[in-house]
Amino acid sequence: AQKITQTQPGMFVQEKEAVTLDCTYDTSDPSYGLFWYKQPSSGEMIFLIYQGSYDQQNATEGRYSLNFQKARKSANLVISASQLGDSAMYFCAMRAKGNEGSARQLTFGSGTQLTVLP
Amino acid sequence: ETGVTQTPRHLVMGMTNKKSLKCEQHLGHNAMYWYKQSAKKPLELMFVYNFKEQTENNSVPSRFSPECPNSSHLFLHLHTLQPEDSALYLCASSYGLAGSGYEQYFGPGTRLTVT
Repeated sequence: AQKITQTQPGMFVQEKEAVTLDCTYDTSDPSYGLFWYKQPSSGEMIFLIYQGSYDQQNATEGRYSLNFQKARKSANLVISASQLGDSAMYFCAMRAKGNEGSARQLTFGSGTQLTVLP
Repeated sequence: ETGVTQTPRHLVMGMTNKKSLKCEQHLGHNAMYWYKQSAKKPLELMFVYNFKEQTENNSVPSRFSPECPNSSHLFLHLHTLQPEDSALYLCASSYGLAGSGYEQYFGPGTRLTVT
C-alpha cells in the first residue's frame, strides 16, 4: 500500500527567507506521481507542483521547487523568498497503485502548517 | 463563475436532518471527487466519479449518498449523520482521473457541523 508522511506539523519562516517542507513516501509502484497542494484558511486546496517518478529533473514552478530524491523516497517542497501570503497548510500527495492490478489512487499526507513571520 | 464552487459554505444540521451538499465545476472536467477533511487527519477520499459513473467508494457509510447527474455537478446527500461526521467536505474535479496524473482543482469546501 502507498503511504505519504509529513513529519512537520508546523513550520515557521521569516519573510523573504527560503523554507523546505518535508515529504517522504512509500510505494511499490514503479510509476508514480507526487503533488503538492496549498490550503489557505479559506479552505480551498490549490495545486502547486507535480513531479513524475521518471522525471529526470526536479520540478519548478515560480518560487516553488520540488527536491526529488528518488533513492531516499523524498519529495520536499522548497519555497524561496517566502511571502506573508504563503502562510497556509501544505499537503504532499502521491498517485500510485495500492496493489498490483489495482487502479492508481491519490493519497494525501497529514499536512504541514507554515507560518511566515514579518 | 469559474473553477469549482460548493454550496453551502457552512452547514449546521441535527442528527435526524436530511441535507445535501452541492458541487459544480466550470472547467470542462470529466472526473469529480468528494473528500472529507477532519481536524488533524489526512484528507480522506470518499467517492470518485468519472463521466458520471462512480468508480470509487472508499467504504463510506451509507448515510452519505453521492449523486452525479452530469460531469459538471456532484451532490452529497446526508441523512442521520453522527457528530463525528463534522468536518470540511471538499469537492474536486480533474480532466482525467487523478490516479493517472491529472491535477485536481478543489472547491472551497463546506464546513459541516452535526449537532
